[in-house]
Amino acid sequence: EIVLTQSPGTLSLSPGERATLSCRASQSVISSYLAWYQQKPGQAPRLLIYGASSRATGIPDRFSGSGSGTDFTLTISRLEPEDFAVYYCQQYGSSLYTFGQGTKLEIK
Amino acid sequence: QVQLVQSGAEVKKPGASVKVSCKASGYTFNHYDITWVRQLPGQGLEWMGWISTYSGDTNYAQKLQGRVTMTTDTSTSTAYMELRSLRSDDTAVYYCTKISTWYDSEDWGQGTLVTVSS
Repeated sequence: EIVLTQSPGTLSLSPGERATLSCRASQSVISSYLAWYQQKPGQAPRLLIYGASSRATGIPDRFSGSGSGTDFTLTISRLEPEDFAVYYCQQYGSSLYTFGQGTKLEIK
Repeated sequence: QVQLVQSGAEVKKPGASVKVSCKASGYTFNHYDITWVRQLPGQGLEWMGWISTYSGDTNYAQKLQGRVTMTTDTSTSTAYMELRSLRSDDTAVYYCTKISTWYDSEDWGQGTLVTVSS
């Protein structure tokens, strides 16, 4: 089973700043099957990025994904107040899915 | 538009079973697989398993093997997740999701809170 480790656990930034979130896999991940989600309190997760770098429908272009192999990054270019939430990476491989433990993005 | 509507909150005693439903609409049900994901209070997302809505094939997370069963009823476009021998640490919000071509979850149910308490 592939383990995904996200860092940092908590990221404290101000609106307008750039956020960089990391997702590291214990073994190589098929890039096509690496996704990022945003979750706000009391809500279901929302798909942001699929295939490591493709934005889902309706996702603003300030969100971008990159990476390959075992290292993946979610970047939010200029933080808006509504971006403060928890972010998860997820991978699929060999009929199994795993999630990272999440990064909480909080207002500084 | 795609909708996944789950059944309502449940309260169960330890040792009991729970069956959560997920009714799909807005797309051809047996063209996309369903996964189930749970979230314990204040915790992250945990993948529980996957079911092919076309063949009925399943694959479950190892830690839940033997306690979980996922099924579908294509006549009503509904997926089900049954969890048996409930324990207090099964208290969580349970989500169904529709799997896309890229094996991600663009569509989620609203979540079902299952509380296990004596």
